[in-house]
Amino acid sequence: ETGVTQTPRHLVMGMTNKKSLKCEQHLGHNAMYWYKQSAKKPLELMFVYNFKEQTENNSVPSRFSPECPNSSHLFLHLHTLQPEDSALYLCASSQGGQTNTGELFFGEGSRLTVL
Amino acid sequence: GENVEQHPSTLSVQEGDSAVIKCTYSDSASNYFPWYKQELGKRPQLIIDIRSNVGEKKDQRIAVTLNKTAKHFSLHITETQPEDSAVYFCAASIRGAQKLVFGQGTRLTINP
Repeated sequence: ETGVTQTPRHLVMGMTNKKSLKCEQHLGHNAMYWYKQSAKKPLELMFVYNFKEQTENNSVPSRFSPECPNSSHLFLHLHTLQPEDSALYLCASSQGGQTNTGELFFGEGSRLTVL
Repeated sequence: GENVEQHPSTLSVQEGDSAVIKCTYSDSASNYFPWYKQELGKRPQLIIDIRSNVGEKKDQRIAVTLNKTAKHFSLHITETQPEDSAVYFCAASIRGAQKLVFGQGTRLTINP
């Protein structure tokens, strides 16, 4: 596979469930991101990882817990979510550090529905 | 922090006509301004970007202009085609891809 792949593509969970979203990039990038896309709202940056280290947490509630075991994989662990957390969660990657060109490469997204 | 406003939220044009989408930003330190296109059910993809040391950039039918003094930038699409129908997002950043703040998006519809 090439590019940025996300699994699962669709997820339905109850407010008491624990689930995880997975992202994998095959582009050799060293920066990875989680974005939230809700209807009629701009893309919201949630987390940024550079070389496996978290460099940005955009005031995200603790019920969202990211994990970046290496530069190619990124997870978003979900716990005790609220219905308003229902959205499309997009993973992205880019060149990091001094070679940061600015371009984000997005995955197809994981559509999350919280009941 | 940075705030990006994008207008209009929806835009409908006849095939072959031009389309213009405008964005304003608040942080004068922002120096990178990309535009992303998201087709229905697909991922956002970069279509063009501009940096603050340039006033205009063109790529075939797409052009972006930047006015640093007024803190606004615009996307121009000429000779529109049905495949241009999508949601377009502008963004601004002080640090390349690392700190992008997106606008609300414009749904562009090209009528045949």
